[in-house]
Amino acid sequence: KTQVEQSPQSLVVRQGENCVLQCNYSVTPDNHLRWFKQDTGKGLVSLTVLVDQKDKTSNGRYSATLDKDAKHSTLHITATLLDDTATYICVVGDRGSALGRLHFGAGTQLIVIP
Amino acid sequence: DMKVTQMPRYLIKRMGENVLLECGQDMSHETMYWYRQDPGLGLQLIYISYDVDSNSEGDIPKGYRVSRKKREHFSLILDSAKTNQTSVYFCASSSGQANSDYTFGSGTRLLVI
Repeated sequence: KTQVEQSPQSLVVRQGENCVLQCNYSVTPDNHLRWFKQDTGKGLVSLTVLVDQKDKTSNGRYSATLDKDAKHSTLHITATLLDDTATYICVVGDRGSALGRLHFGAGTQLIVIP
Repeated sequence: DMKVTQMPRYLIKRMGENVLLECGQDMSHETMYWYRQDPGLGLQLIYISYDVDSNSEGDIPKGYRVSRKKREHFSLILDSAKTNQTSVYFCASSSGQANSDYTFGSGTRLLVI
């Protein structure tokens, strides 16, 4: 059973618009949550990591929230650019060390059009 | 520039042939991983290596084996490849410290015919 569910599966926005990507999970324990960006044909690049029970991070036009009580995270992208076109992957880590496992969502495919 | 390098980028093999996927990292990371990515699914862990000759099975190890003789190199071997092993394979590394970052390679696209 998939333990990390992302929505929407795909999303098309116009350049300059804002968008919100959702991640719900059932992983226990949930030590931390990461968002990755994957360009087509490329590897995953880390955008942010959230650790606290209720956490917020900001990295330029990317901001993210985590609510461990609700087991829910959001990734907000502000003023989208064409280069934001990619798959965004939510990953939950069940421990903080290498002994833990990462649980990957299937990703949200974001397409930014002119 | 810190990176994980995977070779080859693309590979076509016939069913039953042996396959060797190579991964290198220049960050002296202790922990390295092999994942596969299939359409509509999240990345699945094949093997994890905590250091030289210290390897553990992941969630889908069947049909695969690994080798780590140097900290900077981690190989994935498919003995007698099967068509259902057609996938994109990603190598990653991390320092293994609490909440340390993960660095992924660009992937190897393997087609088994």
